Amino acid sequence: GEDVEQSLFLSVREGDSSVINCTYTDSSSTYLYWYKQEPGAGLQLLTYIFSNMDMKQDQRLTVLLNKKDKHLSLRIADTQTGDSAIYFCAEGSGAGSYQLTFGKGTKLSVIP
Amino acid sequence: NAGVTQTPKFQVLKTGQSMTLQCAQDMNHEYMSWYRQDPGMGLRLIHYSVGAGITDQGEVPNGYNVSRSTTEDFPLRLLSAAPSQTSVYFCASSYSPGTVEYQQYFGPGTRLTVT
Repeated sequence: GEDVEQSLFLSVREGDSSVINCTYTDSSSTYLYWYKQEPGAGLQLLTYIFSNMDMKQDQRLTVLLNKKDKHLSLRIADTQTGDSAIYFCAEGSGAGSYQLTFGKGTKLSVIP
Repeated sequence: NAGVTQTPKFQVLKTGQSMTLQCAQDMNHEYMSWYRQDPGMGLRLIHYSVGAGITDQGEVPNGYNVSRSTTEDFPLRLLSAAPSQTSVYFCASSYSPGTVEYQQYFGPGTRLTVT
């Protein structure tokens, strides 16, 4: 079955860049997502990338996709304390499949 | 739009009690789903529905029932609560895949403790 793997913890200093990595196994994945969960809250979509793209940039966020290695990364530039949260990688197979498979989440801690 | 709403926010149950977690969305989404989130386990899909009258099991359906009589509502029933069902429950909804707007919108969660 599908599997999505992420490291569980990442700690960075305020102002540095954060890079959160994710690997997935389903080669038919069409959409890949990054969700953010702040303490005590639900998940919010941060950004997504289609599988026919290599990179997507959205203000401080850069998503890189290596389809050959099934590797997805999220880079947050100039990380702020407000970026402290759990970040989930998720993959979906697109048309015909409503379900997303989520990784276990990476807890990002930003040190002031 | 209120988005995806869930009630209650918190609930404590005794083993063997039953209850219903409510979920509603006002975005006319076809797809709705329930997840549970446990420490170190990520999100696991319990049940999902692709439209009114249609439901199906996810990864961890045992001990839970769902129904979808309207597009807006997707309640989750715990039939006989067990301590293993202590978790945070999230409801999510989305349009059909393949549309530009396809993403899952999550509710704020229900924190359930079973003693």
